[in-house]
Formats: sequence, C-alpha cells, structure tokens
Amino acid sequence: SAVISQKPSRDICQRGTSLTIQCQVDSQVTMMFWYRQQPGQSLTLIATANQGSEATYESGFVIDKFPISRPNLTFSTLTVSNMSPEDSSIYLCSVQLNRNEQFFGPGTRLTVL
Amino acid sequence: GESVGLHLPTLSVQEGDNSIINCAYSNSASDYFIWYKQESGKGPQFIIDIRSNMDKRQGQRVTVLLNKTVKHLSLQIAATQPGDSAVYFCAALSYNTDKLIFGTGTRLQVFP
Repeated sequence: SAVISQKPSRDICQRGTSLTIQCQVDSQVTMMFWYRQQPGQSLTLIATANQGSEATYESGFVIDKFPISRPNLTFSTLTVSNMSPEDSSIYLCSVQLNRNEQFFGPGTRLTVL
Repeated sequence: GESVGLHLPTLSVQEGDNSIINCAYSNSASDYFIWYKQESGKGPQFIIDIRSNMDKRQGQRVTVLLNKTVKHLSLQIAATQPGDSAVYFCAALSYNTDKLIFGTGTRLQVFP
C-alpha cells in the first residue's frame, strides 16, 4: 500500500486568489492523479501527473486554471488559480502502484468565499 | 460517454442486516471494477475488486457480484455494522485506459 498526505487539509479562501495543494507519498510512484469531489458528489478526474512529463488534463480542466507540478516520484502539487465559489470542493490526490492498486490521500477541503 | 452510475443515493439498514449496493456501468471495455468506501472527512478506501473474467468475489463480510451481460455490479455487506456507515463508490477501469471512472455514490446509513 501507500501512505499519502495532503497539505493543507482544509482552507477558506477569497475569490480571485490561488491555493496550492501539496501531495506527498511515502514511496516512489510513477502515476499520480488529482481528483475533484464537489459537495455530495462523486470523484471527477482532473489530470494525470506522471513524473518527467507534462500533466494530462481531462475534458473540462485546463492547465491555466489547475497547474500541476510533479518534481519527483514522491511529490506533486495542484494549484487552483483565480478561485471562485464554484471551485469549492474536496481535492484528492491518488497514486497507482499497479493497475489494480490505486490509493487516495485524505483530501483537501477548499471553501471559496 | 462513459459512465458508472448507482441506482440508489441512500440506503438505510438495521444493524445486523445485510446491505446490497448496486452499480451500473456503460463502457463495454471496462475490465476491472473496484468498490471504495469513503467516510466523512477521509479519502476513498479500497474495499474489494473484481476482474471482468469473474462473476463473484468474496472478502471479509463483503461480496461483489458482476453481471457483464447487463453491465451491473453489486456490493453485498453481511451483518452490517455501525462502522459500515459511509458513502460507497463503484469505479471502473477500461482495458484501454488507466483512468478510474467513479459512480455517483450511495450513502449507507446503519441504525440500531
């Protein structure tokens, strides 16, 4: 398994500002993912972040809004830029050890006022 | 498009009863399915998985059934306990992608 931590665990931000979320894994992994979970909803994949390459974004998500860094095999960041209240969600990172083993972090609960 | 959906948004059961959570998927290329449990304030936690070449898999108190003909899977929890209260998601992987597609989620409430 993998132990994943996220910082911050929660934040309240003003509209128009940006927040960077950190994801740390206790082992080296190639594939990392960022998800968004809006209140009372399921998880939606934002992007795939593999070390050594640009992040791949899903339909409806763009790099200017959600820039991602993946500087090494244990760490990634997701920035939510120019926030609006519609960005209020839980943001989760996950890692894939094998095709059938995907583990999730505890999430970052973001509220935008 | 591809979708994974659940039939019931909320399921209330009495402690000790069996729970059945259902899920439907649309992509015929889905070959691997996972059930996750998400407790309040936490990330999804793996419960059990099943490959498309199987129709049943059992774990500790949990069983997953897969019906590929009608693109349906279910999670059965035996002797449901208060600690089982959570939101349950099914998720599917397709053989041509490594992206997990999640269902809408079912909230399981266990009352005494």
